[in-house]
Amino acid sequence: AQSVTQPDIHITVSEGASLELRCNYSYGATPYLFWYVQSPGQGLQLLLKYFSGDTLVQGIKGFEAEFKRSQSSFNLRKPSVHWSDAAEYFCAVGASTDSNYQLIWGAGTKLIIKP
Amino acid sequence: DTEVTQTPKHLVMGMTNKKSLKCEQHMGHRAMYWYKQKAKKPPELMFVYSYEKLSINESVPSRFSPECPNSSLLNLHLHALQPEDSALYLCASSQTGQPGANVLTFGAGSRLTVL
Repeated sequence: AQSVTQPDIHITVSEGASLELRCNYSYGATPYLFWYVQSPGQGLQLLLKYFSGDTLVQGIKGFEAEFKRSQSSFNLRKPSVHWSDAAEYFCAVGASTDSNYQLIWGAGTKLIIKP
Repeated sequence: DTEVTQTPKHLVMGMTNKKSLKCEQHMGHRAMYWYKQKAKKPPELMFVYSYEKLSINESVPSRFSPECPNSSLLNLHLHALQPEDSALYLCASSQTGQPGANVLTFGAGSRLTVL
């Protein structure tokens, strides 16, 4: 069965430090890959996506992610975090079942920024 | 500007009340979604409307009744809810009704409390 794993429930990073959030998936083919961010009490916003092509994708707010097929991973990175990056981050995978594309969500990683 | 607008932002209702959540988008998207999100959890898909027709119903109890009056509007009618239905209800839209193959644009959500 398809699944998405975000191994870190929460991560604490100092402001200005680099960030990497991990995402691994289980799926038999190349999936569509997404990272969404959710600020407290808000809806979700797309940070970036991978559908095909260059495996290093750039997103909004200075984020990037790299699709590594051999590792079934799509880790999110940012070279220098800002206090406003504190939020919940969800990795999601689009996987085909029958004739539909389901969106399978990871459990989320809460990012805490230390001043 | 928020491209998907949800009202109300907060709703408190008793178990015998009837209320509705509303969602509107003006992006020309042909699919609209209702998600339910409990605290510290990823969103759970409830319903998908594609071209104003219900295309996915994730076995949601009948006390939740969706309605799509036109391609820009989506309602969720609530009746005889239970306290465990308290959650953040998120509306989303996308180009087509395949959640795993499209970018979803989310509203800010309606926070529902059932007493």
